[in-house]
Amino acid sequence: GALVYQYPRRTICKSGTSMRMECQAVGFQATSVAWYRQSPQKTFELIALSTVNSAIKYEQNFTQEKFPISHPNLSFSSMTVLNAYLEDRGLYLCGARGGTYEQYFGPGTRLTVL
Amino acid sequence: GDQVEQSPSALSLHEGTGSALRCNFTTTMRAVQWFQQNSRGSLINLFYLASGTKENGRLKSTFNSKESYSTLHIRDAQLEDSGTYFCAAEINTGNYKYVFGAGTRLKVIA
Repeated sequence: GALVYQYPRRTICKSGTSMRMECQAVGFQATSVAWYRQSPQKTFELIALSTVNSAIKYEQNFTQEKFPISHPNLSFSSMTVLNAYLEDRGLYLCGARGGTYEQYFGPGTRLTVL
Repeated sequence: GDQVEQSPSALSLHEGTGSALRCNFTTTMRAVQWFQQNSRGSLINLFYLASGTKENGRLKSTFNSKESYSTLHIRDAQLEDSGTYFCAAEINTGNYKYVFGAGTRLKVIA
């Protein structure tokens, strides 16, 4: 079946430092990968959508300068939170999809910023 | 404005009873997914629907794209059903963008 893994599951970083998280699709080819953030007590916000052979599209309030994303092949994507501050804490989800419209989500990376 | 309106925001159910969660959409959606977020924060995929109704055990979901809503019915609620339930709908623009509802916090009590 289709599975999505995320690493690390939890991480803590000091304010002002950066943190990289990874997303791995298994059992299907991830032609598009979406990164979401769930801030404490809130719903999921789309950060950016990466589709093979297209430029990465960032949502309003999120920039490549702050959340650079790499999607080098059909099974892997990574996102870095640069210069993390308290407002960046939360659960970061990767959602990947292949030939169907269904999006498969990973378990998330929980980021704590001290 | 908000494109997905999810209700109720919170719900308490006694074991063995049931209820329905609903998401209304303010724009045309291609498909909808329902998830349960457990206490560790992981999202469990419950349903994916492009139309119609699907049933799995004590859960049943319907997506009516014409009338712009989706529902998730829970029957015979169990303690392990507690958690936050989210709907996520794909905007029908062909760019694979999903928008999440605000979530329903369900507590099942003995």
